[in-house]
Amino acid sequence: KQEVTQIPAALSVPEGENLVLNCSFTDSAIYNLQWFRQDPGKGLTSLLLIQSSQREQTSGRLNASLDKSSGRSTLYIAASQPGDSATYLCAVRDYGGSQGNLIFGKGTKLSVKP
Amino acid sequence: GAGVSQSPRYKVAKRGQDVALRCDPISGHVSLFWYQQALGQGPEFLTYFQNEAQLDKSGLPSDRFFAERPEGSVSTLKIQRTQQEDSAVYLCASSIQPSTFTGVGAQYFGPGTRLLVL
Repeated sequence: KQEVTQIPAALSVPEGENLVLNCSFTDSAIYNLQWFRQDPGKGLTSLLLIQSSQREQTSGRLNASLDKSSGRSTLYIAASQPGDSATYLCAVRDYGGSQGNLIFGKGTKLSVKP
Repeated sequence: GAGVSQSPRYKVAKRGQDVALRCDPISGHVSLFWYQQALGQGPEFLTYFQNEAQLDKSGLPSDRFFAERPEGSVSTLKIQRTQQEDSAVYLCASSIQPSTFTGVGAQYFGPGTRLLVL
């Protein structure tokens, strides 16, 4: 059964710092991996989607990498801002008999201090 | 264009009450998913529809949970005889692609319905 783990569970950094969020998954047979942002009381906003054949995706200050063989992904945030404060969720779509549903980690709660 | 919408946004129910949660997916999206997110946890899959067909309900926690999508657009998640452990955020997501598509098939999420059972 696929399991997704995110480390750290919470992170507090000063504004301007570059940071890395980690995601690991137990079964490398995945179609894709998606990073989401969730603000308190809100739904999920998709940030980046990496297909299994890709190594990384970039959007603005965000860069996500995927190493499928080792079961790891990282989300790199450059020059962090207070507006980046949110919970970041990693999710995989795997082969395992599912209908395309995503399997999520518990998230990393990020706080960027001004 | 409109995104995925859900209603109500908040629902307080007394234990034993029945509730109905509505999801309006993005127009034309074939796939619709329901997820349950407990406090401090990531979302967990409940059920999947491809058009009007419910192809997977393996994540529904008990037979008190029932979902439908009769015309292949709007979906309703119904919880009968609510229990305190049903308190969670219920998220709906839609995707333009069917589940058999293994290419780029991002899921778009609604804002969720926060259910509190007292």
